[in-house]
Amino acid sequence: SQQGEEDPQALSIQEGENATMNCSYKTSINNLQWYRQNSGRGLVHLILIRSNEREKHSGRLRVTLDTSKKSSSLLITASRAADTASYFCATGPLGTYKYIFGTGTRLKVLA
Amino acid sequence: DVKVTQSSRYLVKRTGEKVFLECVQDMDHENMFWYRQDPGLGLRLIYFSYDVKMKEKGDIPEGYSVSREKKERFSLILESASTNQTSMYLCASSLGLAGLRGTDTQYFGPGTRLTVL
Repeated sequence: SQQGEEDPQALSIQEGENATMNCSYKTSINNLQWYRQNSGRGLVHLILIRSNEREKHSGRLRVTLDTSKKSSSLLITASRAADTASYFCATGPLGTYKYIFGTGTRLKVLA
Repeated sequence: DVKVTQSSRYLVKRTGEKVFLECVQDMDHENMFWYRQDPGLGLRLIYFSYDVKMKEKGDIPEGYSVSREKKERFSLILESASTNQTSMYLCASSLGLAGLRGTDTQYFGPGTRLTVL
């Protein structure tokens, strides 16, 4: 199966609630990144966390990384309708040039 | 801000046609990438270029070729389009490389939705 698999595949919440999505991966990595994709558009980089970091914040985003479990989570606090999008994690396996993307979590925030 | 542009948002071609998808970035990035995105499969890397005239095959290069004559421009070529190449094509660029330098964000273009009839 793929490196970088997101869970859940789809998530629907009310505006103001928090949204949490998870990513699992298989190999040792240099860093892990989260991207957002609005419907039919390109991906936009949200946040990067390095393998020696455990938690990182950016605005309403909080990312955690557990290298022992090979997993990461993205928390969006106080969600807004504008957060409706697909969210992808991407890993940079050690020693490679590739970014490996998961299949994404589709988030829908209801107003 | 980095800008990555792709020549078309939507493209419709016929089976057997030669198709060119163009991508231009304005940040002097060394590395450029072509992905295709299909439902349930995520993004899959087709080709990668780390310098002018240098290229590496990605995970699904069959049926595609690429050209990078100038640093800012990376073209994806479908030599003879087939219906199974109907997809969303995404171009990206980055300054460094994922697992090697560790910094590196990819900047994506808006995508080209290609339909092959």
